This record gives sequence, C-alpha cells and structure tokens, in this order.
Amino acid sequence: NAGVTQTPKFQVLKTGQSMTLQCAQDMNHEYMSWYRQDPGMGLRLIHYSVGAGITDQGEVPNGYNVSRSTTEDFPLRLLSAAPSQTSVYFCASTQGGELNYGYTFGSGTRLTVV
Amino acid sequence: GQNIDQPTEMTATEGAIVQINCTYQTSGFNGLFWYQQHAGEAPTFLSYNVLDGLEEKGRFSSFLSRSKGYSYLLLKELQMKDSASYLCAVEGYSTLTFGKGTMLLVSP
Repeated sequence: NAGVTQTPKFQVLKTGQSMTLQCAQDMNHEYMSWYRQDPGMGLRLIHYSVGAGITDQGEVPNGYNVSRSTTEDFPLRLLSAAPSQTSVYFCASTQGGELNYGYTFGSGTRLTVV
Repeated sequence: GQNIDQPTEMTATEGAIVQINCTYQTSGFNGLFWYQQHAGEAPTFLSYNVLDGLEEKGRFSSFLSRSKGYSYLLLKELQMKDSASYLCAVEGYSTLTFGKGTMLLVSP
C-alpha cells in the first residue's frame, strides 16, 4: 500500500517554464488537496477536489491549475513559473466523512524557480 | 476568515512534559488535527479532536474546547526524537487550515 505518491521529489525551473507536479493515491480517497509550505508561513491550500471531476480553489490558487479525471490522480500544473512559486509542495488525501482517519500527505516536491 | 495561532518555538528537556497551545477563529469547523513534521519530511498524523475533551494516545494527548476555540497538544516523557515542528490544523469542508507551526527543541 503506497499511500500518496508525489513526483518529482526535486525540480528546478527557469522563470516562465511550465510543469506538472504529479500526485497519486491508492487508498480510494475521495478528497485530495494541494498545499505549499514556505518558511514562516505554514502550509497553505492551493486547490482541492472532493471527487473526480470536481475541483475548487483554496487560499493561494493564482498561477496553478488542477484537474481530477480519476479518483487516484490529482496533478498540479504551474502555467508559467515565477520565483515566488519556489516552495515545498505537498499533496494530501482523506476519505472524509464520519470515518475520518486523517489526511495522508505525500513526501513533497521541492521546487526552485530561478 | 481563518486565524490559527500557536507559539513559534518551544524548548524542553528530555523526559519532561510540554504543552503546545493552539487558538483558532475559523468560519467552519469539522475538527482539529495535530501533525508532527520533522525537517525535510512530510507532516504525519498525531491526533484528531471533534468533540470537547481529551484524547490520549500513548505519550501524546490532545485537548479541545470548541466554545473557547482552543486546543493543546501534550507530550509526555519527551525524547530527543520529539524535536520537530508541531502543526495545529482546523478542518473545514474536506480541507485543512494550518497554523504556522511550533518548533519544539528537546535538549538532553
């Protein structure tokens, strides 16, 4: 049981480049979300999804797109990378509802934009 | 709006007890989580409180008062490996709002 898998673990981009951060979970969780973590700022919600075909914006959505075509996958796309998007990105999933066993986080993607 | 406050740093001695407080003001509340995060790693689940009261799990306990918007995480018999950041997070509708985290340093 792999849990939540994020790829890549590290990435360096040039300003203006685009890329996709991958997130996959094998727990059949309905809810998935993306967070970024910056020093002194804590984890902040970028986008989230409550099921296949349904996505919504979080606190800091600008510059990012998401889609949820399957229950398992929730990729995060950077459209035109900026230095302000240098951060550590975490994907999380949860079953939600009354049987709440917590949110499982992936191991993170460390992104540097130069 | 969402506002979650916790101390930035705390220090404690191996074998001691430490309490990390968290106060929150949020527009939605389904429950409160505590996570542990070691440097360079992902957050890992410690506890979840929905109702008022104390939840105990081995050396870790978490308390919630919904009327006061207050929670604490209690760590007993501190070990060096407990040096980490502790994150308080309020669950809204299928997402989490985090505090900025409390860095705990355990010294010998």
